[in-house]
Amino acid sequence: EIVLTQSPDTLSLSPGERATLSCRASQSISSSLAWYQQKPGQAPRLLIYDASTRATGIPARFSGSGSGTDFTLTISSLEPEDFAIYYCQQRHNWPPITFGQGTRLEIK
Amino acid sequence: QVQLQESGPGLVKPSETLSLTCTVSGYSISSGYYWGWIRQPPGKGLEWIASIYHSGNIYYNLSLKSRVTISVDTSQNQFSLRLSSVTAADTAMYYCARGDIPDYWGQGTLVTVSS
Repeated sequence: EIVLTQSPDTLSLSPGERATLSCRASQSISSSLAWYQQKPGQAPRLLIYDASTRATGIPARFSGSGSGTDFTLTISSLEPEDFAIYYCQQRHNWPPITFGQGTRLEIK
Repeated sequence: QVQLQESGPGLVKPSETLSLTCTVSGYSISSGYYWGWIRQPPGKGLEWIASIYHSGNIYYNLSLKSRVTISVDTSQNQFSLRLSSVTAADTAMYYCARGDIPDYWGQGTLVTVSS
């Protein structure tokens, strides 16, 4: 099973700042990585798939990069509504689908 | 617009079977995609449980495989989950979702295992 490890566990930033979230896979997953945002009481929302493609309706301030084992989600300038938990997810040669443990992005 | 809605009991007794149904609207299950279940214990991360294709191809999380059954009813545009011999560790928000890169999710249903 492919394990995804996200870092940091918690990221404290202010609105307007740039956020960089990382996800590392235990083996190469090519570009088979997605990113999700989850707010309290809500289902996860797909942000990025295939490592760098924004899902429908996702603002351009969200971008994804990486391939192989190392991936990054960047939020170029944080808006108040961006403070949430972010998960990475892989589907390379699934099953299984696996998720990272999450990064909590909190207001500093 | 694609919508998914979970339904089922919110409280299940230990050792019994959890049964949930996901009703899909705005898209025909028979048109494609895998359809699956994902759960999230309170305050914790996401765990994939199982996925099914309309033709009946099924994938299970090996850690749950012995207790899980997923099925599809294309005539009702629904798919279902059964999890047997539940314990407190199965208490979680259960989501249904579309795809191996889940792009549409239900709102989730909280299932508590308690006597």
